Amino acid sequence: EAGVAQSPRYKIIEKRQSVAFWCNPISGHATLYWYQQILGQGPKLLIQFQNNGVVDDSQLPKDRFSAERLKGVDSTLKIQPAKLEDSAVYLCASSLPAGQGLALVNIQYFGAGTRLSVL
Amino acid sequence: SQELEQSPQSLIVQEGKNLTINCTSSKTLYGLYWYKQKYGEGLIFLMMLQKGGEEKSHEKITAKLDEKKQQSSLHITASQPSHAGIYLCGADHSGGSNYKLTFGKGTLLTVNP
Repeated sequence: EAGVAQSPRYKIIEKRQSVAFWCNPISGHATLYWYQQILGQGPKLLIQFQNNGVVDDSQLPKDRFSAERLKGVDSTLKIQPAKLEDSAVYLCASSLPAGQGLALVNIQYFGAGTRLSVL
Repeated sequence: SQELEQSPQSLIVQEGKNLTINCTSSKTLYGLYWYKQKYGEGLIFLMMLQKGGEEKSHEKITAKLDEKKQQSSLHITASQPSHAGIYLCGADHSGGSNYKLTFGKGTLLTVNP
């Protein structure tokens, strides 16, 4: 089974430029996540999709970040304009939750990430 | 996240030594997920714990969830260089009402041959 695919793997841009990241989740996974991981920190959730609808974007800086998930499959995350503090690894994950309530099992599978450097 | 604390932040061991990494939560852990990350790569799922007192093992790695469901430990027996990487715990604090995980900052493990 193919894993979560992300591209590009690396991106270097100057501040105030725009950048876009692409994610293709595992086939059949309805839930898709974008995380930001700054060096030395754990992943921080930016946005969560259920099919093509946004479930949680409370930590997405909406003045500069946007994301969409067309047809409930692939997703893109965009930053415009980028700031120096956006330098991080952007991880995409997908899951197929099983069970409900206290019996919920929701293993998230991660892509290799995109390492963004903003100069 | 301060909701989830990992210790130690980093660990250097000699090959063959045992080690333990801890993950402590300020809230009840309804699900606790352990991941491993190599530099420049994504997170690889290791194990998931859900019930108080639960223990799971895979090869030389054992994870436990305490009875009160607020702390988990990851124990590696007879460490090898292949165990090196960043170990992260991810917590379901919602009791299944959403599909979110809160991650700790990770523990960087170095295994010297």
